[in-house]
Amino acid sequence: DVVMTQSPLSLPVTLGQPASISCRSSQSLVDSGGNTYLNWFQQRPGQSPRRLIYQVSNRDSGVPDRFSGSGSGTDFTLKISRVEADDVAFYYCMQVTHWPLTFGPGTKVDIK
Amino acid sequence: EVQLLQSGGGLVQPGGSLRLSCAASGFTFNRLGMAWVRQAPGKGLEWVSVITESGDITHYVDSVKGRFTISRDNSKNTLYLQMNSLRADDTAVYYCAKSWWLDNWGQGTLVTVSS
Repeated sequence: DVVMTQSPLSLPVTLGQPASISCRSSQSLVDSGGNTYLNWFQQRPGQSPRRLIYQVSNRDSGVPDRFSGSGSGTDFTLKISRVEADDVAFYYCMQVTHWPLTFGPGTKVDIK
Repeated sequence: EVQLLQSGGGLVQPGGSLRLSCAASGFTFNRLGMAWVRQAPGKGLEWVSVITESGDITHYVDSVKGRFTISRDNSKNTLYLQMNSLRADDTAVYYCAKSWWLDNWGQGTLVTVSS
């Protein structure tokens, strides 16, 4: 199975400051067609998860542009350019290239 | 607007069975694969199963193979998860999700396996 790791696991951030979460996979997420299926999800307290980013860097509809995704191969990053109170949540990366589909352990983002 | 309305959770004894349902609306259900994901109390997300749009291909995480069955009724726009031989470690909130890329999620339903 592809193991997804995230760092840090806890990220206290000052309002208005940037935040960055790293996600690494135990093997390349590039499929035979050259596509990379790495998604990012946000789960606010008491809510269902919500997809933010798909295929590494594509923002879902309605996702603020302060969220961005980047990376390739086995190393990926989710960045929040200026953290707002609404961004307090767990963030999970997930690979959809290999079976079984696997999530990272999650990163808790909260306000200092 | 995409809506995924879940039902069917509850308390069940170890070894028992439960069927979860996920009623979909707001998109062409029979053109998309669907998925189930679960989250144990205080833990992270775990993918459970997916099914193709026609229902002819399914995949499962190893821990539920042979015990859980994903299915769908395209005439009713509904996704199902039949869970048999339930164990304590199956206790979780179960989410249905639209497509294998999980672009929309249901509200979740709690399954508690306990005597």
